[in-house]
Amino acid sequence: AQSVAQPEDQVNVAEGNPLTVKCTYSVSGNPYLFWYVQYPNRGLQFLLKYITGDNLVKGSYGFEAEFNKSQTSFHLKKPSALVSDSALYFCAVRDPSVYGQNFVFGPGTRLSVLP
Amino acid sequence: GAGVSQSPSNKVTEKGKDVELRCDPISGHTALYWYRQSLGQGLEFLIYFQGNSAPDKSGLPSDRFSAERTGGSVSTLTIQRTQQEDSAVYLCASSSAGVYGYTFGSGTRLTVV
Repeated sequence: AQSVAQPEDQVNVAEGNPLTVKCTYSVSGNPYLFWYVQYPNRGLQFLLKYITGDNLVKGSYGFEAEFNKSQTSFHLKKPSALVSDSALYFCAVRDPSVYGQNFVFGPGTRLSVLP
Repeated sequence: GAGVSQSPSNKVTEKGKDVELRCDPISGHTALYWYRQSLGQGLEFLIYFQGNSAPDKSGLPSDRFSAERTGGSVSTLTIQRTQQEDSAVYLCASSSAGVYGYTFGSGTRLTVV
């Protein structure tokens, strides 16, 4: 069975500092990995995905994530945080070897960027 | 349409009443998903439709919940005899076969009083 863990419920960072939101996963095959962001009172928005190829994936709003197969991680990063990055972040995984398998989402990490 | 459309955006209902939530996916998307998000919580999978295949209903929390997808497009999630614990944001998402991510709607905020 596939699963996703986001070990931190809350991450606080000062504006201008680098940020990391952690994600680890478990699937039987090679994973498809995603990050979504949910701003207050808004729906989920796609940030970036890893399917294959370069382990470092760049996405929207200056975010990037690095796929690390040996550590089964897909941490979300940004070199310089903005107050407007404050939101709820979800990591998701899909096992493409399982037909019809839906995505599994992590519990979410609330990011607060302090001015 | 350009995105996934959900209606209503907000619904307040009395305990014991039935409600219907609608999702209009992106045209041509074969897969449609319903999730539930309780206040401050993560996403709980409810049901998944893929083309003409039988839906994956494994996430429906009780037999009060049902969903259908007519003509491979619009989907309706029905909650019968609503309870206060059903209060949540119900999110719909769609994707096309072979594409790897979802597009989410803005959700329906259901409040059972």
